[in-house]
Amino acid sequence: DTEVTQTPKHLVMGMTNKKSLKCEQHMGHRAMYWYKQKAKKPPELMFVYSYEKLSINESVPSRFSPECPNSSLLNLHLHALQPEDSALYLCASSLSGLANTEAFFGQGTRLTVV
Amino acid sequence: DQQVKQNSPSLSVQEGRISILNCDYTNSMFDYFLWYKKYPAEGPTFLISISSIKDKNEDGRFTVFLNKSAKHLSLHIVPSQPGDSAVYFCAAQATSYGKLTFGQGTILTVHP
Repeated sequence: DTEVTQTPKHLVMGMTNKKSLKCEQHMGHRAMYWYKQKAKKPPELMFVYSYEKLSINESVPSRFSPECPNSSLLNLHLHALQPEDSALYLCASSLSGLANTEAFFGQGTRLTVV
Repeated sequence: DQQVKQNSPSLSVQEGRISILNCDYTNSMFDYFLWYKKYPAEGPTFLISISSIKDKNEDGRFTVFLNKSAKHLSLHIVPSQPGDSAVYFCAAQATSYGKLTFGQGTILTVHP
């Protein structure tokens, strides 16, 4: 199993809604990541979890709240988002949170905030 | 401040020919470099990587070259196939820090 699975694939939410994005991998990877990609831009790192602990928060607004329930799962809880938060949200995993390890990406969740 | 740059937004190549995609970086702390391929509405797919202790890494039709003194790397695809048409991202990492910094991407189109 070399997949990173993200659900849902598409999500439309209002600015007052609370929703969650989910990510799962069964490769035994101990680092998991959330990236955000706007149209025609490269992916930008949001959070890194290493061994189920948050190791990097790239100054992400608190309306995005990550959670790592176990080594295979990663969630991103969304609350009071703005229309400019509409983007493709990518989850990735790697063997460890250190450099020199390739990250494998899921297919992404296309989020639209209305 | 863009630390990883792909200056060619697009590249068009004939099937069977070589595709050369270029990437420049400015952060001298970067010591591991990766290429990803991305189709629309999908996540990036890892292609090939190279450590700064090497200047070349080859995997089938894909070869990555690294010129540390010029802070430049390139991806060669030989022979190019129509299925290679996608957006190619160059990415870089610094030692002990798993964050990937991506370039802007190059759209490769391979014509039959």
